Amino acid sequence: DQQVKQNSPSLSVQEGRISILNCDYTNSMFDYFLWYKKYPAEGPTFLISISSIKDKNEDGRFTVFLNKSAKHLSLHIVPSQPGDSAVYFCAASVGGGSQGNLIFGKGTKLSVKP
Amino acid sequence: GAVVSQHPSRVICKSGTSVKIECRSLDFQATTMFWYRQFPKQSLMLMATSNEGSKATYEQGVEKDKFLINHASLTLSTLTVTSAHPEDSSFYICSAWARGNTIYFGEGSWLTVV
Repeated sequence: DQQVKQNSPSLSVQEGRISILNCDYTNSMFDYFLWYKKYPAEGPTFLISISSIKDKNEDGRFTVFLNKSAKHLSLHIVPSQPGDSAVYFCAASVGGGSQGNLIFGKGTKLSVKP
Repeated sequence: GAVVSQHPSRVICKSGTSVKIECRSLDFQATTMFWYRQFPKQSLMLMATSNEGSKATYEQGVEKDKFLINHASLTLSTLTVTSAHPEDSSFYICSAWARGNTIYFGEGSWLTVV
């Protein structure tokens, strides 16, 4: 039973437009969420995180929104660039960002077309 | 720069032999490190939690006698795949919580068992 779900395996967006990557979770104990970008045969690269006490966190072109009542979060990338093309993983943790492990979604492959 | 370093990045070994993968935290101490495994086009699956100075905690279904984890110091955890089998061929990634409440990942190690 997947606790973190990314229901869209792929997403294609035109350069300059907004990319919206979605993630749903089932475990109400999760209180810390992270997004990672990953290229094949490389370790994930941290992008942005959000604590459950917030509903939005922004860092440059990346914004993460958290809707706790819906157990849903999303990553917005605007404007999208071809270099953003990669697999994006949503991850969740219990413990407020301390020592707990991460539970990952299956990832969404983003393709940004020039 | 990288805050978690993994070595080797690629290794090929013969069936029946053992191979060791190292995970080092750079410029910070990590009492806890995590080992993940990723099959092609799949999500990262947590294998075990490595605890400095004590036994690792393995996830259900992961053979602790096959995947030996040693966290002998605050900056080094090792994963040894014993009696390697072709089905052990996979991408192995380590991670650790670092400053700023973020988990950083190593570059990953691609293991091929022939």
